[in-house]
Amino acid sequence: EDQVTQSPEALRLQEGESSSLNCSYTVSGLRGLFWYRQDPGKGPEFLFTLYSAGEEKEKERLKATLTKKESFLHITAPKPEDSATYLCAVQGGANNLFFGTGTRLTVIP
Amino acid sequence: NAGVTQTPKFQVLKTGQSMTLQCAQDMNHEYMSWYRQDPGMGLRLIHYSVGAGITDQGEVPNGYNVSRSTTEDFPLRLLSAAPSQTSVYFCASSYSGTPGEQYFGPGTRLTVT
Repeated sequence: EDQVTQSPEALRLQEGESSSLNCSYTVSGLRGLFWYRQDPGKGPEFLFTLYSAGEEKEKERLKATLTKKESFLHITAPKPEDSATYLCAVQGGANNLFFGTGTRLTVIP
Repeated sequence: NAGVTQTPKFQVLKTGQSMTLQCAQDMNHEYMSWYRQDPGMGLRLIHYSVGAGITDQGEVPNGYNVSRSTTEDFPLRLLSAAPSQTSVYFCASSYSGTPGEQYFGPGTRLTVT
């Protein structure tokens, strides 16, 4: 069964303190791994798609990487506006998408 | 473009009542989907559609019906509401046809008493 586990559940960082969020997955036939950002009371916002091990994508202070078993979302020199819940999802052989429970990031000024 | 719109934003139902959550998109996206989000659980796929006239079940379809008569609209029907259906519901559509690259609506918060 497809499964996604995100860690840590919550992370508090000082502004400028870089860190990484983890997404471990089990899926038969990975067709894509996706990162989303979700602000309180809003729908998720798409960030990145990764298709194969070794692939990397960057956007501003965020960089997503992928191995055969996990993905990392690296946040470099975060700012308070980066505070949000970050969701990871995988698509296996079907059109289904399986989401993790997310990492709630708080960046303190 | 308005993107993905959902109505209502909030709804309270009594057990056994039925209702329809509305979802519309004006981006001409073929792929649309419905998710529910519960505390401590990830977003879970209820139903999805790859085009007008085509729908399929996701991970948690029981108690919900969908139809897709047009590209723009994808309503979700609760047949007989139960307290277990208390949740936040999100509709989404995909510009690429890939389920993972989706625009999400703002959500509907549903409480069933």
